[in-house]
Parts: sequence; C-alpha cells; structure tokens
Amino acid sequence: QQQVKQSPQSLIVQKGGISIINCAYENTAFDYFPWYQQFPGKGPALLIAIRPDVSEKKEGRFTISFNKSAKQFSLHIMDSQPGDSATYFCAASIKAAGNKLTFGGGTRVLVKP
Amino acid sequence: DGGITQSPKYLFRKEGQNVTLSCEQNLNHDAMYWYRQDPGQGLRLIYYSQIVNDFQKGDIAEGYSVSREKKESFPLTVTSAQKNPTAFYLCASSILPGSSPVRGYTFGSGTRLTVV
Repeated sequence: QQQVKQSPQSLIVQKGGISIINCAYENTAFDYFPWYQQFPGKGPALLIAIRPDVSEKKEGRFTISFNKSAKQFSLHIMDSQPGDSATYFCAASIKAAGNKLTFGGGTRVLVKP
Repeated sequence: DGGITQSPKYLFRKEGQNVTLSCEQNLNHDAMYWYRQDPGQGLRLIYYSQIVNDFQKGDIAEGYSVSREKKESFPLTVTSAQKNPTAFYLCASSILPGSSPVRGYTFGSGTRLTVV
C-alpha cells in the first residue's frame, strides 16, 4: 500500500536546467509535505517542506508547488548544478497520527556539467 | 554539535544470528524512528517511539525489535526471524508535533547490514 507515489524514478538534466519531481498522495489527512535530499551512503537531509494551506514555497533554487485538489505536489530545482546530483524523496505525515513520515520511492537526479 | 550517531556503519550478519544496530541522539528530541531503505522502494518505517519505555510498530516490524530505555537511545535488533535483512537502516529523530511548526526529521548516516 503505497500512499505516496513519486515520479520519475530517475532524471538527467543539464547544468543550468530545471529538475522537476512529482508526487501524488492518497490520504487527504496528510498535513505536512517535506522533501529530503540524500547523497550516496548518507542519511536523508530535510530540504524544504510545505503545509496544505500554501500553494507554493520557495527557498533559494528549490520550490515546492502544492495542488490540494489534485492531491499532488512537486519539487522544482532551478539552475540545477552538478552538486545537486542526489536522490530526492518526497514524504507526507499527519500531525495527529504522531508525525510518522510516509515516503515516496525516490528520484535519482543526475546533473550533467 | 547536535546530531544522530548510528553505529556501526557496516555490519555483517550470519544466517540465524541476531544483530543490534545502535542509534544515539543528543538533540533532546522526544520521538525516534527506524526506517529500512531498499533500492527503488524508498524508506519504510520499522518502529517508532515518542516517549521513553514506549514504542509502536511501523509498516514492516516483523523480524525486528526495539527498546527505548533512555531518551537519547533507540537500538534496533534484527532477529533471525527477519528473512531478508540485507538493507540500509536509517535512524531518525524529531520533536513531537505540538505547537511548534517544526516537524522535520533529523537522520543519522545509516548502517548497511549484509547477510553473509
């Protein structure tokens, strides 16, 4: 039972391009949607997060777009750099259910110089 | 410097053997979590704990056990009942989602377990 579906599984983008990763969720009770970045052999690190009362959040080159009616949210990486090459995970949680994170399957991003 | 320490970084287990993965945090977080990561499957929740001496099963708890005797520590035991234990194990912690808007997890660097 996968409550958060992430696509694509992998992505290749040229330096300076835009990386776009999409996630769809099923449970309308989710009230927190973070994105994590993971480098090989390391634990994930929180990148940016959004709540469902906001349609967009931007932090530097990273932007989350949120569509509550479609139950979808996406991560945009602007001006992609080789250092952004990593695996990205979307996730969702419910505050009332103890804030347990349910993760998407991950997207491996490769930024070519 | 606050953070989460997982040890060992690499662990090899023989068939039928129990092994324990260590997770320690000095962030004063109340909640701690164990996730398993397999290629292409994202992270799946094994166990979590919100308070000392209490913990709950996650989605894939079978073949695993945990304890939470101290706030700082949340060790995971992979028992011989876990038929496919080879994976990357990640420990995380967070504050409880009370009045604070901060809800993100802090992850450790992981333990890679291999059955030999």
